[in-house]
Amino acid sequence: AQSVTQLDSQVPVFEEAPVELRCNYSSSVSVYLFWYVQYPNQGLQLLLKYLSGSTLVKGINGFEAEFNKSQTSFHLRKPSVHISDTAEYFCAVNPPGGGNKLTFGTGTQLKVEL
Amino acid sequence: KAGVTQTPRYLIKTRGQQVTLSCSPISGHRSVSWYQQTPGQGLQFLFEYFSETQRNKGNFPGRFSGRQFSNSRSEMNVSTLELGDSALYLCASSLVPNDQETQYFGPGTRLLVL
Repeated sequence: AQSVTQLDSQVPVFEEAPVELRCNYSSSVSVYLFWYVQYPNQGLQLLLKYLSGSTLVKGINGFEAEFNKSQTSFHLRKPSVHISDTAEYFCAVNPPGGGNKLTFGTGTQLKVEL
Repeated sequence: KAGVTQTPRYLIKTRGQQVTLSCSPISGHRSVSWYQQTPGQGLQFLFEYFSETQRNKGNFPGRFSGRQFSNSRSEMNVSTLELGDSALYLCASSLVPNDQETQYFGPGTRLLVL
């Protein structure tokens, strides 16, 4: 079984400041890793995913994440946030061969302030 | 190309009733997954359908069921509703049930059980 931990339930940050949203996972097998964003009253939108290859993954809206196998982490970063980045962010994992059965973290609410 | 559509968007039911939610995947997508999102339990996988067959099932009681039609549209049903079933129900579609595929989420159906 897999599990995902997002330790920070809320992260306040000023506009144009950098941000890092933390994600750690636990799994007895290798997994694929995903970050999704959810804006108020909307569904989830994929920001980026790691399947294999380079451990630094670039996604949409200027976000990137780095897969660290030894630390079982997949932290999300953005060098300069904008007000429009205010949303909830979810880290998720899926084991190879697991079909479309994502296991999600509890989410991190990013609040960007002026 | 139209996204994943879910109907209805909002629903109010009373305990003991049953409810049916509908999901139309992106055109050409044949895999549909359902997730439940609650403040307490977060995002949890319900089930996944492909070619009218259930491929994966999450840890939910038998009151939760689903089906998929030949045009890939899917419905989920919850019988004998309980207060704890109040949640946002998200549907996601992908081309095939491959764990590397991106799942595209709909806006969700918000169910309130009174």
